[in-house]
Amino acid sequence: DIQMTQSPSTLSAYVGDRVTITCRASRNINNWLAWYQQKPGKGPKVLIYKASILEDGVPSRFSGSGFGTEFTLTITSLQPDDVATYYCQQYIYYSSFGPGTKLEV
Amino acid sequence: QVLLVQSGAEVKRPGSSMMVSCETSADTFTSFAVHWVRQAPGQGLEWVGVVVPGIAKVNLAQNFQGRATISTAASSNTVYLQLNNLRSGDTAVYYCARALGSSGYYNSWGQGALVTVTS
Repeated sequence: DIQMTQSPSTLSAYVGDRVTITCRASRNINNWLAWYQQKPGKGPKVLIYKASILEDGVPSRFSGSGFGTEFTLTITSLQPDDVATYYCQQYIYYSSFGPGTKLEV
Repeated sequence: QVLLVQSGAEVKRPGSSMMVSCETSADTFTSFAVHWVRQAPGQGLEWVGVVVPGIAKVNLAQNFQGRATISTAASSNTVYLQLNNLRSGDTAVYYCARALGSSGYYNSWGQGALVTVTS
């Protein structure tokens, strides 16, 4: 199994800030990584797939990068609507998720 | 917009079984994979397993092997998740989600079904 870790587990920032969340895989996953946003009481929504490709309709202030075992999700110009928990997912071998990063704005 | 429609909430006793359904479209059923992901209250996302209905291939996460079954009904384009010998730790929202294959990201999710295991 591939283990995914994320840091930080909780993140507090201000409107307009730039924030970065890091995701690490226990072994090489190339760029088979997705990022999801889950707002309180709602289901997850994909933001980015294949490490850096923005899903249709997702604001361009979200971006992803990385390859191999280390990946980042960056949100620029943070908005109040970005309050959510963010998860990374590897999908090179079935699926597994990181533990999540709770973002407070 | 792709729709995955799940069955409703359930309350179950420890030791019993649950079955959650996920109704898809004909296109999804024949050309995509349907995964099951669960989320315990206040916790993260946990992958349960996947079925590729078009080729009747099922894979389960190691934690669920021997206790979970994923099945399909082609007549209604529906996927089912059955989990046996329930315990309190199985209390969770169970989501179905669509992906291109057994390994894929999810661009469409069901609304989730809360299963509560309590005596």
